[in-house]
Amino acid sequence: AQSVTQPDIHITVSEGASLELRCNYSYGATPYLFWYVQSPGQGLQLLLKYFSGDTLVQGIKGFEAEFKRSQSSFNLRKPSVHWSDAAEYFCAVGAAAGNNRKLIWGLGTSLAVNP
Amino acid sequence: DTGVSQDPRHKITKRGQNVTFRCDPISEHNRLYWYRQTLGQGPEFLTYFQNEAQLEKSRLLSDRFSAERPKGSFSTLEIQRTEQGDSAMYLCASSTYTDTQYFGPGTRLTVL
Repeated sequence: AQSVTQPDIHITVSEGASLELRCNYSYGATPYLFWYVQSPGQGLQLLLKYFSGDTLVQGIKGFEAEFKRSQSSFNLRKPSVHWSDAAEYFCAVGAAAGNNRKLIWGLGTSLAVNP
Repeated sequence: DTGVSQDPRHKITKRGQNVTFRCDPISEHNRLYWYRQTLGQGPEFLTYFQNEAQLEKSRLLSDRFSAERPKGSFSTLEIQRTEQGDSAMYLCASSTYTDTQYFGPGTRLTVL
């Protein structure tokens, strides 16, 4: 079965602290992997994506993620969190080939940032 | 680049009424997707178009739901005989063959 698991429903960090959001996936084919961020009242904004090649990918707003095929993981990291990073973060997986292009999503991780 | 737009942004309707939402994708994008998101959940796939062809439709989509993309540009999602369980955020996304999906702001539906 295709699924995405984000084990942490809610995380609180202090401003300036480092951040890691976990994502594990189960997918029968070669996956494309994505992280999106959703702020209240806003649409989903793409942070970064992994299609192939270097397993450490850089995204916008200082975020990065590492694809680990052996662990079926695609964890999101940021070395120093800013108050404006408070939002909902979603991990998603899609097919790398074929006509099926839908994304399978995790339930999201809500990030709160303490001043 | 104007991004993906959706109209309306909010819709309140009474149970049993029909509603229609519109999505305008990024102009050069040939793929268009509809998702539904309820509170505390990630988006759930509803349907997907490549140009004007509807290539996949989720089993979540009952017969009350229909989507069209008649000229391969904008798309409409219609819900007939709305139920309270249809209350959700309806998201539209578009992409090229590179598969990066860009999302619109969504239409929030409330069924009373």
